Amino acid sequence: DTGVSQDPRHKITKRGQNVTFRCDPISEHNRLYWYRQTLGQGPEFLTYFQNEAQLEKSRLLSDRFSAERPKGSFSTLEIQRTEQGDSAMYLCASSATSGRASEQFFGPGTRLTVL
Amino acid sequence: AQSVTQLGSHVSVSEGALVLLRCNYSSSVPPYLFWYVQYPNQGLQLLLKYTTGATLVKGINGFEAEFKKSETSFHLTKPSAHMSDAAEYFCAVGPSGGSYIPTFGRGTSLIVHP
Repeated sequence: DTGVSQDPRHKITKRGQNVTFRCDPISEHNRLYWYRQTLGQGPEFLTYFQNEAQLEKSRLLSDRFSAERPKGSFSTLEIQRTEQGDSAMYLCASSATSGRASEQFFGPGTRLTVL
Repeated sequence: AQSVTQLGSHVSVSEGALVLLRCNYSSSVPPYLFWYVQYPNQGLQLLLKYTTGATLVKGINGFEAEFKKSETSFHLTKPSAHMSDAAEYFCAVGPSGGSYIPTFGRGTSLIVHP
């Protein structure tokens, strides 16, 4: 078990460009979450998958954001036409059990800077 | 609806002193409560969690937290701070209402002085 991994760790892009991030969860985990974290804030929920099904999406997730988990394993988060306000740390987490007390295991995050 | 309030965005202590990080929550159902730690440029790591049963919960690295229903609090403590404890700490309340999404507080930055 190598933990949750995210790629890339850092991304610098120009406003208007598209970016895609990848998350590889712990292999036996069926739940996968994406969060956004800005300086001085806690993680803000973006979206959640159970296996390949996207079950919840935050109102924070505008039409420019899309996430997939095609085979119920890794997930991608794409941001189209990036804006400076998209600059943040994007965190991925996964969990195994189905209960409310499930511990989430977080990846190291992808730091996005939009110039 | 649920929410978390962490009092104090920064807490500064001397090495060897007591650490107290405050967390108050609001939840419409019996809460599940979590404390996570985040070191620079890393993801969050679970310190401890409360689900049911014993209200004093012990976690990793010598931290513990006590669930007080009457005060809707879940404060994090450690008897003696180490320099390595310097990090960001997040309190979270577990999901409810059919959702599996916890709600995180804004975090408290712990600064440890030699």
